Amino acid sequence: QLQLQESGPGLVKPSETLSLTCTVSGGSISRSYYYWGWIRQPPGRGLDWIGSVSFTGSTYYNPSLRSRLTVSVDTSRNQFSLELSSVTAAETAVYYCARHDLHSNCFDYWGQGTLVTVSS
Amino acid sequence: QSALTQPPSASGSPGQSVTVSCTGTSSDVGFYNFVSWYQQHSGKAPKLMIYEVTKRPSGVPDRFSGSKSGNTASLTVSGLQAEDEAEYYCSSYAGSNNWVFGGGTKLTVL
Repeated sequence: QLQLQESGPGLVKPSETLSLTCTVSGGSISRSYYYWGWIRQPPGRGLDWIGSVSFTGSTYYNPSLRSRLTVSVDTSRNQFSLELSSVTAAETAVYYCARHDLHSNCFDYWGQGTLVTVSS
Repeated sequence: QSALTQPPSASGSPGQSVTVSCTGTSSDVGFYNFVSWYQQHSGKAPKLMIYEVTKRPSGVPDRFSGSKSGNTASLTVSGLQAEDEAEYYCSSYAGSNNWVFGGGTKLTVL
């Protein structure tokens, strides 16, 4: 059974860079038709797709975040990562990693999520 | 403001059917048959319930069904059970390698 687990700092200062890693277990990250994505959910609000990466390093980014966003992959560790620069308090959210099925255009496996608070 | 519009709440009694709507545009829901639905219990991660408008992943009860008409997709839960009480989110491919979500609908089992 595929499992995903987010890790990283739970507190980030405004204007700094938010960095998270997702470790995939129970299957290889190096599979065709699958990307690996990040989705966030501010407290009490809806879901927002951030960006996705393939095992080759090809990326798709939310247009509203593209200028500040880097999503990368490390196949040797079966991990992928998120870096979002110049964060503000409004980006306080639970950040989820998920497998992004590009054939069906859905997110079929999700991590448990990690709360990142942006505050000084 | 979310890209797809969902009613904030819906409710039904056990055994009844409830339908949740998801309205987009002719550039996303109306153009592509790539609408998916997610169930999220409080404090938990979302779970895929429906993909490609009408398909159910293995293990999802057939009480859950999806449909689409024009720019509006719908999720119907039949034979409502207490465990179905959760937040439900729709999502659609929006073209140009972009994916959007709805704002969520809180389903209450009365």
